[in-house]
Amino acid sequence: GAGVSQSPSNKVTEKGKDVELRCDPISGHTALYWYRQSLGQGLEFLIYFQGNSAPDKSGLPSDRFSAERTGGSVSTLTIQRTQQEDSAVYLCASSLFGLATNEKLFFGSGTQLSVL
Amino acid sequence: DQQVKQNSPSLSVQEGRISILNCDYTNSMFDYFLWYKKYPAEGPTFLISISSIKDKNEDGRFTVFLNKSAKHLSLHIVPSQPGDSAVYFCAASGGNLIFGKGTKLSVKP
Repeated sequence: GAGVSQSPSNKVTEKGKDVELRCDPISGHTALYWYRQSLGQGLEFLIYFQGNSAPDKSGLPSDRFSAERTGGSVSTLTIQRTQQEDSAVYLCASSLFGLATNEKLFFGSGTQLSVL
Repeated sequence: DQQVKQNSPSLSVQEGRISILNCDYTNSMFDYFLWYKKYPAEGPTFLISISSIKDKNEDGRFTVFLNKSAKHLSLHIVPSQPGDSAVYFCAASGGNLIFGKGTKLSVKP
């Protein structure tokens, strides 16, 4: 597609429920990133996929968070048993080759997650 | 501990004047720095970058300066325009891309 697409744009859920957030990167981009921005905070790195390499999961805040990237394209970020502190904007980004090449990232518009 | 710091959460500037946004970092291994701009309800968009082998990079009204000895970079916007009003994020690359908390710039007509 023309840009990074994320869905849904807004998600309201109850504490304890599971949620899935979807990201469609730019076609041909091999690297995909998930970040989140909590209120008043910067962009917090969550996870990074690059080609067929094992993902860098070092930013995932707990084992309730997981992500997959199927077929080297679409990615799903899953949050199990959501907590109120998970409320944030979840941003997905992609780039052509990855961090080692010092590329700029192209971001989607994000998913605003609200956990009640 | 924050590796990339933007100590000013907000900045207000008159249209036509210079806007200077500052960023400090702690890790001397960072070798590439970027600035992103973010409007409400949109994702951040790339603005300008600089490699650690340079001390200045210019693109139109935007110039980024890097002072490696001070571990400090700044973004200059001149002349500032009302459409520049947004949140500006500084980011540093050294493995992962680490972002600061952002500075909200308001350019008043």
